[in-house]
Amino acid sequence: RKEVEQDPGPFNVPEGATVAFNCTYSNSASQSFFWYRQDCRKEPKLLMSVYSSGNEDGRFTAQLNRASQYISLLIRDSKLSDSATYLCVVPLAPNAGNMLTFGGGTRLMVKP
Amino acid sequence: NAGVTQTPKFQVLKTGQSMTLQCAQDMNHEYMSWYRQDPGMGLRLIHYSVGAGITDQGEVPNGYNVSRSTTEDFPLRLLSAAPSQTSVYFCASSPPGGGPLHFGNGTRLTVT
Repeated sequence: RKEVEQDPGPFNVPEGATVAFNCTYSNSASQSFFWYRQDCRKEPKLLMSVYSSGNEDGRFTAQLNRASQYISLLIRDSKLSDSATYLCVVPLAPNAGNMLTFGGGTRLMVKP
Repeated sequence: NAGVTQTPKFQVLKTGQSMTLQCAQDMNHEYMSWYRQDPGMGLRLIHYSVGAGITDQGEVPNGYNVSRSTTEDFPLRLLSAAPSQTSVYFCASSPPGGGPLHFGNGTRLTVT
């Protein structure tokens, strides 16, 4: 089993739609989680960290389910500019701190 | 503030040639790392460093060498390039204790 797994998509949604991605991870001891966004042929950029209690940043909500070992990203009121690949990121090992492993990414395409 | 700077942006090598991908950061980050990104594979960790003079292997270290003589610089060396090393390479840094990675713009390497 891969350490971090994501549905590669693509998810094709109309503007204004709500879309959710899940990501499963294998290391139950992982403590910190992140969602990164990557535009075509660009470097990944941090979208948001994922906290135990869940967190929200504008139209974006991240949730953590430790029992089932998955994290989710919810995007409300999708914009054309949300089209990108979303990468789930988990530490490589317990207490690994900065050593992060990336999922393969989920591609989102928002259509007019 | 330049952040993480990678050079070159593009490179074409013949099989067996050697080269060094440069990475420099001006944020005084202790942690630096190199990833490669291949279609459908996500980002995979090649080598990382938790501080000057300290390096370690990631998931896919074979064929690559690194050194960390200063906090700012973390070059990646290909001693004898192979077509399997055709990829996009990203350098990243982050402060100690975990936290988001700051990526460079990437180097697109083709080995023929």
